[in-house]
Amino acid sequence: DSGVTQTPKHLITATGQRVTLRCSPRSGDLSVYWYQQSLDQGLQFLIQYYNGEERAKGNILERFSAQQFPDLHSELNLSSLELGDSALYFCASSVVDQALGSPLHFGNGTRLTVT
Amino acid sequence: EDKVVQSPLSLVVHEGDTVTLNCSYEVTNFRSLLWYKQEKKAPTFLFMLTSSGIEKKSGRLSSILDKKELFSILNITATQTGDSAVYLCAVRSSNTGKLIFGQGTTLQVKP
Repeated sequence: DSGVTQTPKHLITATGQRVTLRCSPRSGDLSVYWYQQSLDQGLQFLIQYYNGEERAKGNILERFSAQQFPDLHSELNLSSLELGDSALYFCASSVVDQALGSPLHFGNGTRLTVT
Repeated sequence: EDKVVQSPLSLVVHEGDTVTLNCSYEVTNFRSLLWYKQEKKAPTFLFMLTSSGIEKKSGRLSSILDKKELFSILNITATQTGDSAVYLCAVRSSNTGKLIFGQGTTLQVKP
């Protein structure tokens, strides 16, 4: 158990809908990262937060947004969902800012299915 | 554009065999290279490498980095069925800080 908690584990929704994925980092970790994993794309970096502030952005769609709250948990919001958004969404956390070199610890992911 | 390429994409071996997984990368301002093992759910951390030529070892797994040739290898000796998984290589750039993953190598170890 990595100590990173993601909810829900599974989510099935229809195209055009909006969903929120939640992540609680390991105790003491200040950085939270979101990744999308689909069969044909591998693990794709979406966005990183450090102590409440956005730190780095990957290929995150404009329909997607995230935030990190004062208690350090994070939420990833996905709107106007399309079939292609179906994927496993991972949250990871680390002790310090990613650039300083600490490993990421991953949660078990949220499997999103858009029908 | 930063990228990480792993090879082979898949591998089938028998218990007791030794395997070598490869990871090559192109990244500006390299900071570190990490290996993860992914079974059914979350990737689990194996190694982090920052310096060339220094082998990291954990039981039957070992890894080494070559920063001149821009690659790393992950060795697994005396493989067991429990080693069956996807092995992911990721590289961190100190420019952006983000961790870029390769496609992964799917290893299947048969009894």
